[in-house]
Amino acid sequence: GENVEQHPSTLSVQEGDSAVIKCTYSDSASNYFPWYKQELGKGPQLIIDIRSNVGEKKDQRIAVTLNKTAKHFSLHITETQPEDSAVYFCAASTGYSTLTFGKGTMLLVSP
Amino acid sequence: NAGVTQTPKFQVLKTGQSMTLQCAQDMNHEYMSWYRQDPGMGLRLIHYSVGAGITDQGEVPNGYNVSRSTTEDFPLRLLSAAPSQTSVYFCASKAGQGNTGELFFGEGSRLTVL
Repeated sequence: GENVEQHPSTLSVQEGDSAVIKCTYSDSASNYFPWYKQELGKGPQLIIDIRSNVGEKKDQRIAVTLNKTAKHFSLHITETQPEDSAVYFCAASTGYSTLTFGKGTMLLVSP
Repeated sequence: NAGVTQTPKFQVLKTGQSMTLQCAQDMNHEYMSWYRQDPGMGLRLIHYSVGAGITDQGEVPNGYNVSRSTTEDFPLRLLSAAPSQTSVYFCASKAGQGNTGELFFGEGSRLTVL
């Protein structure tokens, strides 16, 4: 099955800095790569996703890049704010209606 | 819309007891799933369903049963609880049966097995 590795497990930045979270996947058939944000005590929420026919996607301060050859994808958050503090999960999916998640990154943004 | 509703939010069981975690969605989503979240382990898929009457196993199905008799409901049953099943459980749903699209998660059910 699919295996998704996520790094780092924790990331501390100052407000206004950029944050980058990286993930690798094992199954070359995976074609959908979403990112979820989980705030304390809540369920994860989708923040951005990318499909395998696209190399980069942006949404305001958030961007995701995908390198299919190397089988890795990354989340970039620019101009971080304290409300960006949360746990972020990457995930990968093939065509079997399942989503495999990474172990998560706790992002702490200090004012 | 309520979205995905899970009950109960908290539950304490003794080893060997059985219980059912309830999940209901009001978005007419075909796909529903159960994940468990453990510290340092991320979210792991237990069971999923692509429509009423259809269920399949995920990564960690042992010790859990599911059924899908209606589009709206997808209960998760623990037949004989074990301490290893102490976890936070999330139900999630999405439109369509394919592998893409936003998963909508419930707020979670925290289960402790003594």
